[in-house]
Amino acid sequence: DAKTTQPTSMDCAEGRAANLPCNHSTISGNEYVYWYRQIHSQGPQYIIHGLKNNETNEMASLIITEDRKSSTLILPHATLRDTAVYYCIVIRSSASKIIFGSGTRLSIRP
Amino acid sequence: GAGVSQSPSNKVTEKGKDVELRCDPISGHTALYWYRQRLGQGLEFLIYFQGNSAPDKSGLPSDRFSAERTGESVSTLTIQRTQQEDSAVYLCASSLGFGGETQYFGPGTRLLVL
Repeated sequence: DAKTTQPTSMDCAEGRAANLPCNHSTISGNEYVYWYRQIHSQGPQYIIHGLKNNETNEMASLIITEDRKSSTLILPHATLRDTAVYYCIVIRSSASKIIFGSGTRLSIRP
Repeated sequence: GAGVSQSPSNKVTEKGKDVELRCDPISGHTALYWYRQRLGQGLEFLIYFQGNSAPDKSGLPSDRFSAERTGESVSTLTIQRTQQEDSAVYLCASSLGFGGETQYFGPGTRLLVL
């Protein structure tokens, strides 16, 4: 699976949009971009995934560049409950295990 | 529908004892995964079950670790002769399998070996 690079930490004001970047320059054609988050003392939570097109669900939006070498997770109106470590992961369509990197620690300030 | 459940939620044991951790996946999910997360660290893959195929045990750290799965339901992770370095949160996840990659995680079992 392709490796991803994320900033170690970020912060965002409550009510503003949080934009979390991820680089995956070695991604191949059959690999998906997945985002999970882990709130303190809980198991990882699935957020969203995509292949080529931008995706949106009730939690977030995922913007994937045309060359697929990077993506941005957008939390449109961040709240204090969005404080967590966010993991960007690239997974082959036939993959099994997830290789988690160190993620981005997002802090939401009141 | 219910998510992935794990039991016990917390386990304290003495060094040298055996422990069994249980995972109930989401109904209908054919794939099941075990991960370990040490304090302040990322997730480490342990083992993966997919239907009736032979499990991928490539992440098991030693022969003290083993896991079983009954059909496409419950799985147990067993750690024999526990050591202090086994202290961690053990997370289970399940997915539809056969290309359904979205893994849904349980709350984990916090294991403390004294």
